[in-house]
Amino acid sequence: DTGVSQNPRHKITKRGQNVTFRCDPISEHNRLYWYRQTLGQGPEFLTYFQNEAQLEKSRLLSDRFSAERPKGSFSTLEIQRTEQGDSAMYLCASSLAWGGAYNEQFFGPGTRLTVL
Amino acid sequence: TQLLEQSPQFLSIQEGENLTVYCNSSSVFSSLQWYRQEPGEGPVLLVTVVTGGEVKKLKRLTFQFGDARKDSSLHITAAQPGDTGLYLCAGRLGGYNKLIFGAGTRLAVHP
Repeated sequence: DTGVSQNPRHKITKRGQNVTFRCDPISEHNRLYWYRQTLGQGPEFLTYFQNEAQLEKSRLLSDRFSAERPKGSFSTLEIQRTEQGDSAMYLCASSLAWGGAYNEQFFGPGTRLTVL
Repeated sequence: TQLLEQSPQFLSIQEGENLTVYCNSSSVFSSLQWYRQEPGEGPVLLVTVVTGGEVKKLKRLTFQFGDARKDSSLHITAAQPGDTGLYLCAGRLGGYNKLIFGAGTRLAVHP
């Protein structure tokens, strides 16, 4: 396990469909983060977990979005009733929980979502 | 208005030139990280700076954190085509764990 992995890498869906993405963090990392990146912008924070507990959610995370990390290992991000505005790159990152300011976040390759 | 402003937005230079990109804010950050991102890929961490005034060097890249921990710069010496990419700065405010990103500087280095 050399890094954060995300699946699928690409997803094309029709408006109104549900989609689910998976993230597998670096194995010893107990914090896991989800970000969204639209064209020409930097990533924006969506939510994060410490072990299985979801500790913070952004106001960007509407009620159509839900994230889980049931066993404190991998995480899933589900978008229900997708809209064209959901088209973006969804990035997952992981970090250790200790180390203070040096809790460096390492990113996966992302899932590119296109909603037609 | 973004909390972290990066400048310039775009930079196109010839191989061998030097360049500096900037990351500015009115807020104080507990740490600041620089990432590089290739098209269709996730950001790759380059460096973390924590202490005001801190300078870190990574081969031809020099990173500086402002004394007041509100700004940072990335200087590249003798740029190479392999340096091409999107450079993102990201900071953590206080005890929060989430990263706040700038919009990035897109660098193109031509042979």
